[in-house]
Amino acid sequence: EADIYQTPRYLVIGTGKKITLECSQTMGHDKMYWYQQDPGMELHLIHYSYGVNSTEKGDLSSESTVSRIRTEHFPLTLESARPSHTSQYLCASMGTSGGLNTGELFFGEGSRLTVL
Amino acid sequence: AQSVTQLDSHVSVSEGTPVLLRCNYSSSYSPSLFWYVQHPNKGLQLLLKYTSAATLVKGINGFEAEFKKSETSFHLTKPSAHMSDAAEYFCVVSLTGGGNKLTFGTGTQLKVEL
Repeated sequence: EADIYQTPRYLVIGTGKKITLECSQTMGHDKMYWYQQDPGMELHLIHYSYGVNSTEKGDLSSESTVSRIRTEHFPLTLESARPSHTSQYLCASMGTSGGLNTGELFFGEGSRLTVL
Repeated sequence: AQSVTQLDSHVSVSEGTPVLLRCNYSSSYSPSLFWYVQHPNKGLQLLLKYTSAATLVKGINGFEAEFKKSETSFHLTKPSAHMSDAAEYFCVVSLTGGGNKLTFGTGTQLKVEL
């Protein structure tokens, strides 16, 4: 079982609120990712990180921001939530073997955000 | 450049009958290919992966997939469907060596009926 955790699992908030979605992994993986997924839809990469102090924007433009101060922690923040941010957010890290990335992703269970 | 196409957005089978979920890919280099499963309100879980070893790959829960370079396909199969197999399945391609760029298919929703 993968050791990657997301909190909260479900969040309902009002427009304009600041929210942070937490993601932590205990596997020591350098590469971490945030994906956005609407119900029944494909995953869209919104942020990724190669390691500490590294953050990059993904393929899908997002108003969210991320930080990577520690290897195990990759939180995502929305400064002012809007209804258009309603979605599921999935965090993942990439496995390694012998110091090389395997390409396999380990996913958290997701954070389902609803903005009213 | 790389891309992946899942040919069916929905597949419905009866319990006990075979499952076939189709995936075609394109990649400029030797790809690594993965199938993930996502149950409702859950994250994705790796079913199996191909990384240039044996072309027939066996995964968890009785699933397997065959890498066919000539057809640029990586179809997922299972001889006998179980109710618990009902989920969303994603085919993923990446450059060999686990490069940063992973491309997800749009997913196939598998429904299993009694």
